[in-house]
Amino acid sequence: EEQLVESGGVVVQPGGSLRLSCAASGFAFDEYTMHWVRQSPGRGLEWVSLINWDGSTTHYEDSVKGRFTISRDNTKNSLYLQMSSLTTEDTGLYYCVKDLGTTGDSWGQGTLVTVSS
Amino acid sequence: AIQLTQTPSSLSASVGDRVTITCRASQGIASALAWYQQKPGKAPKVLISDASNLASGVPSRFSGTGSGTDFTLTISSLQPEDFATYFCQQFHSYPLFTFGPGTKVEIK
Repeated sequence: EEQLVESGGVVVQPGGSLRLSCAASGFAFDEYTMHWVRQSPGRGLEWVSLINWDGSTTHYEDSVKGRFTISRDNTKNSLYLQMSSLTTEDTGLYYCVKDLGTTGDSWGQGTLVTVSS
Repeated sequence: AIQLTQTPSSLSASVGDRVTITCRASQGIASALAWYQQKPGKAPKVLISDASNLASGVPSRFSGTGSGTDFTLTISSLQPEDFATYFCQQFHSYPLFTFGPGTKVEIK
């Protein structure tokens, strides 16, 4: 069974930094593009970033460019999101997603990031 | 950026009803659209990709049609487990993905 388990979400002050992790199992992690998607009451579902199978290609939503860095370690079946210069607008539930938009996509349960003073 | 709108934003329906949700894109996206179902406290689950391809394990009462700018998700006979929020998502403008605002389906 495919499984994605996110961790690292905490309460952080504006301007702070945070690293999210996602542990994958049950599928060939190194064959898939992976994504981070966030959800908040005010902004709905919002795609954040993607990384291709070997980490050679990354893309970001405009509001996080220059502040967030996506990476992966295929030897550990893990996906990461390094977040810095956080603002209240970054508050939300962050999901790790395999193969977004396809019939084979799967999502983790999410990890909650709260940016608040 | 491509924007997605969904109508209605919410609806009330009874078990057995036929339900149709519409998603409109701000510009043509061919068939690059997926539909998701989300229940409270759970992650979204893909129902349909490429506008009309049913994901594995999804009941056949769900169907999707459309191309270009106008798309529909239809539930032919609403079941108790179908009460949820439904989102559309486009991937035509890869690598930039966008989601619709959602349609909440409630029990009448």
